[in-house]
Amino acid sequence: DAGITQSPRHKVTETGTPVTLRCHQTENHRYMYWYRQDPGHGLRLIHYSYGVKDTDKGEVSDGYSVSRSKTEDFLLTLESATSSQTSVYFCAIKQRDTNSPLHFGNGTRLTVT
Amino acid sequence: DAKTTQPTSMDCAEGRAANLPCNHSTISGNEYVYWYRQIHSQGPQYIIHGLKNNETNEMASLIITEDRKSSTLILPHATLRDTAVYYCIVRVGSGGSNYKLTFGKGTLLTVNP
Repeated sequence: DAGITQSPRHKVTETGTPVTLRCHQTENHRYMYWYRQDPGHGLRLIHYSYGVKDTDKGEVSDGYSVSRSKTEDFLLTLESATSSQTSVYFCAIKQRDTNSPLHFGNGTRLTVT
Repeated sequence: DAKTTQPTSMDCAEGRAANLPCNHSTISGNEYVYWYRQIHSQGPQYIIHGLKNNETNEMASLIITEDRKSSTLILPHATLRDTAVYYCIVRVGSGGSNYKLTFGKGTLLTVNP
């Protein structure tokens, strides 16, 4: 398995609180991604990064911010958590801007009460 | 990305070959075919990908028709651990648009004892 660690694996938080999810990779891959997975919607891209301090929005970026201060870590922050952000969050990494595939972490299950 | 069509579900006997079809009739010349699978509660797992030639790795074989409008993922000797949702995705190999990996509903493969 690709060296991807997501933390925490599970979290319950209250509406209005900030939450940060961490993705850590040991593969030295340039590209990193945050997806969320919800029933009926499949996997949807939140934000992605194509290098240190280089990030861009995906299709469902509202309410989320990201930071990448070093190659191995990509942080996803919910600025003020809402119940609609209850989901399973997956981090993925990709080696190059070619046909190389994405490799996913095992996810963080977030519940916002 | 080209749209893909997969059967909702399939069954396979343990030890037999599992053949999972995917239609992608609108695929463009520079789009690759990727297969991933997702076992319950885990992150999507990359299986194999190809452009126009058949491909084989330690997990599976990918057969792409000559017109590239469809493909088949073959698990040569299915085991109970291969029970999962299998996703067929087509996308360009490089460039900004390839970041947005779109997963459809996939095929639920159930391997029976």
